[in-house]
Amino acid sequence: SQQGEEDPQALSIQEGENATMNCSYKTSINNLQWYRQNSGRGLVHLILIRSNEREKHSGRLRVTLDTSKKSSSLLITASRAADTASYFCATRAGGTSYGKLTFGQGTILTVHP
Amino acid sequence: DGGITQSPKYLFRKEGQNVTLSCEQNLNHDAMYWYRQDPGQGLRLIYYSQIVNDFQKGDIAEGYSVSREKKESFPLTVTSAQKNPTAFYLCASSILTGDTQYFGPGTRLTVL
Repeated sequence: SQQGEEDPQALSIQEGENATMNCSYKTSINNLQWYRQNSGRGLVHLILIRSNEREKHSGRLRVTLDTSKKSSSLLITASRAADTASYFCATRAGGTSYGKLTFGQGTILTVHP
Repeated sequence: DGGITQSPKYLFRKEGQNVTLSCEQNLNHDAMYWYRQDPGQGLRLIYYSQIVNDFQKGDIAEGYSVSREKKESFPLTVTSAQKNPTAFYLCASSILTGDTQYFGPGTRLTVL
């Protein structure tokens, strides 16, 4: 079963605007990751946040994690047309082995030039 | 170049035929994974392997088989028992004690 549920399913913005995507999950987790997928390609790892962290930054990316609400958000600031892709959250549930991830259904982001 | 490769990029199969998808990595990773992705959906885990000659079923293993005879290679066979095999198949690898996965470019399988 898919643990991660993402919201919105699709997001359309103009270049320069910020994009925020949300991920909710059902069980306790060890960590949560965000991946990007360009159309018809493999996934690329963006950022990992551990269950004891609340916020993490990487370049134009900011990820927050609220374990009490079982949710995470990914913020992309000053978006570019090249950010157009699908974005997936992935969780490793507590008590499971390394690498056994559960992926959400993804948010399709379109950035218009 | 270090990376993970999958071949072929596109694969067509007649109903009732088995087909094998290739996955090779030169990242020296111990763990390898196979996922299935259907349109508009996330990834679902088919099989994973953490060591040579050992592998575990994922969430949707029925109709699939794998082998792990070499650390670098983790081929996936889609058998005729898989009722709806048309999908995008992704292979990934990681270090044994890490969760960050590195993905190949994928194979799109179409059953005619």
